[in-house]
Amino acid sequence: SYELTQPPSVSVSPGQTASITCSGDKLGDKHACWYQQMPGQSPILVIYQDTKRPSGIPERFSGSNSGNIATLTISGTQAMDEADYYCQAWDSSTWVFGGGTKLTVL
Amino acid sequence: QVQLVQSGAEVKKPGASVKVSCKVFGYTLTELCMHWVRQSPGKGLEWMGGFDPEDDETIYAQKFRGRVTMTEDTSSDTAYMELSSLRSEDTAMYYCARLLPSADVFHIWGQGTMVTVSS
Repeated sequence: SYELTQPPSVSVSPGQTASITCSGDKLGDKHACWYQQMPGQSPILVIYQDTKRPSGIPERFSGSNSGNIATLTISGTQAMDEADYYCQAWDSSTWVFGGGTKLTVL
Repeated sequence: QVQLVQSGAEVKKPGASVKVSCKVFGYTLTELCMHWVRQSPGKGLEWMGGFDPEDDETIYAQKFRGRVTMTEDTSSDTAYMELSSLRSEDTAMYYCARLLPSADVFHIWGQGTMVTVSS
């Protein structure tokens, strides 16, 4: 079965750029997306089809996907961006999530 | 604007079944591809199954096959997820989520239903 791997945690200082990676076999040949989940809240889609932002998602959120790695980048990170982030891809009629990354803004 | 509203928290004993509902507002259920995702306490997201528009059928993650049934009542625009033979490891928040077929992503989520399995 297909697997996606994320680092458990990433730390960033306010105003700096945060990068969260998601690795999977030939992930660049698929479409990756990213969800943000605040404590006690449902996930929110922040990036889909590798690079697209849904309506209402700030421009500081961007994505890329090449080779075996997809990356979520948050430019000018704000305290409100502190959350868990999950990558997700589709493979052979299975929707697969990464294990999640806790982003700490300190 | 689609809104998904789920049923309330449940407490079940091991071996029992639970049926969680997800009512659609703003669209009709027939216009949506509904999926279910669960999250154990302090853990990540886990896809359980849902309607696959490519195959035009409901499919289930291998882990849950034989124990989960996903159904729809189009007259009330309500989707259901029933999980049987519950065990303590099934204690989790269960989410319904609308699949955006063109992108294979879940872009609208319900608020979640907490299911606790305890003797």
